[in-house]
Amino acid sequence: NAGVTQTPKFRVLKTGQSMTLLCAQDMNHEYMYWYRQDPGMGLRLIHYSVGEGTTAKGEVPDGYNVSRLKKQNFLLGLESAAPSQTSVYFCASRLPGANVLTFGAGSRLTVL
Amino acid sequence: DAKTTQPTSMDCAEGRAANLPCNHSTISGNEYVYWYRQIHSQGPQYIIHGLKNNETNEMASLIITEDRKSSTLILPHATLRDTAVYYCIVRVGVGNDYKLSFGAGTTVTVRA
Repeated sequence: NAGVTQTPKFRVLKTGQSMTLLCAQDMNHEYMYWYRQDPGMGLRLIHYSVGEGTTAKGEVPDGYNVSRLKKQNFLLGLESAAPSQTSVYFCASRLPGANVLTFGAGSRLTVL
Repeated sequence: DAKTTQPTSMDCAEGRAANLPCNHSTISGNEYVYWYRQIHSQGPQYIIHGLKNNETNEMASLIITEDRKSSTLILPHATLRDTAVYYCIVRVGVGNDYKLSFGAGTTVTVRA
């Protein structure tokens, strides 16, 4: 039981490049979330999903796209990376009605 | 949305109780208070949550004032491993469809 796994853990991009962050969970959780955390700040919700095939916008969705084709995976995409997207990205998941979010270890992205 | 106010930082001595305050004066009657913590740059970890009654688990106690406008997280015997950023969060949304917004939190440093 690995919990929530994020790949890659580190990535450096140039402005304008695209990439996808993968979040995988093996707990059969319905709900999945993507957050970003900038230095010295709390986590801000980017997008979330309440089940396979569904996605919804969070607080800061601009510049990101997501997909939830399989229940266990939640992908976060950057089509054209910008320096403002330099951040640590956290994925989380939970069961419906559950009070606990399980977080991944984070993916550190640097955009030059 | 109810917002929370926490001190930026606080120190406490190892072995002593750590009392972390949080103000949430605009909280609604059906909104829960959650506490998470983040050690180093790891993903946040759930600690405890409550609605109006005081709660206790193996990690901490949560004291919510009668008017629900503030709460205190108590770590009964702080250890060096409790050094972390502690987030007080008011859960937004009802039923299964809720989201958690993480502010800047309180940086707690436990000193030997």
